[in-house]
Amino acid sequence: GAVVSQHPSWVICKSGTSVKIECRSLDFQATTMFWYRQFPKQSLMLMATSNEGSKATYEQGVEKDKFLINHASLTLSTLTVTSAHPEDSSFYICSARVLTGKDSPLHFGNGTRLTVT
Amino acid sequence: GNSVTQMEGPVTLSEEAFLTINCTYTATGYPSLFWYVQYPGEGLQLLLKATKADDKGSNKGFEATYRKETTSFHLEKGSVQVSDSAVYFCALSSGNTPLVFGKGTRLSVIA
Repeated sequence: GAVVSQHPSWVICKSGTSVKIECRSLDFQATTMFWYRQFPKQSLMLMATSNEGSKATYEQGVEKDKFLINHASLTLSTLTVTSAHPEDSSFYICSARVLTGKDSPLHFGNGTRLTVT
Repeated sequence: GNSVTQMEGPVTLSEEAFLTINCTYTATGYPSLFWYVQYPGEGLQLLLKATKADDKGSNKGFEATYRKETTSFHLEKGSVQVSDSAVYFCALSSGNTPLVFGKGTRLSVIA
């Protein structure tokens, strides 16, 4: 089945530093990937849609200069949390579709637990 | 806009009990419907899906039927196991947009 790999699985960083999270589609090409943030009470918030070769589309309320997304190839999207602060601590999950269209499910990475101290 | 409402948890059941997690949706057109499961510390895994009215998705003993007349996609399992303890998300997809998720329902199964 389709596999999405996310790295690292957890990271601890100091306030003010930047952290990069990678999301790879291992056995398929993904022109579009989606980044979610999961809050403590488990709800998922879509942050942005990552488009290969073009700018990401951010959801309302998500700061694009803080959460930099780069989708340089058909198998790799990265999310960089810049100048991280404790309130950015969260579980970040990427996902991708094998095929376009409503019938095609999203395949998720295993998530990255970010802790900012 | 599209939205998904699922029953709030947590739900605690004894092993071998019957499980129902309710999910209703609002959408324009004819969405596809999904159930995802998230085990502790992991990402989401697709559990089952249904792409049109009256379809039944099934996997690992779980079932859900796409009911257009009641705009529902309730998740059921006849006999839960401790290993089913997880968070379950109902979701819909309309067009090529990202999935819209419900808030998740935490299930705990005790031996």
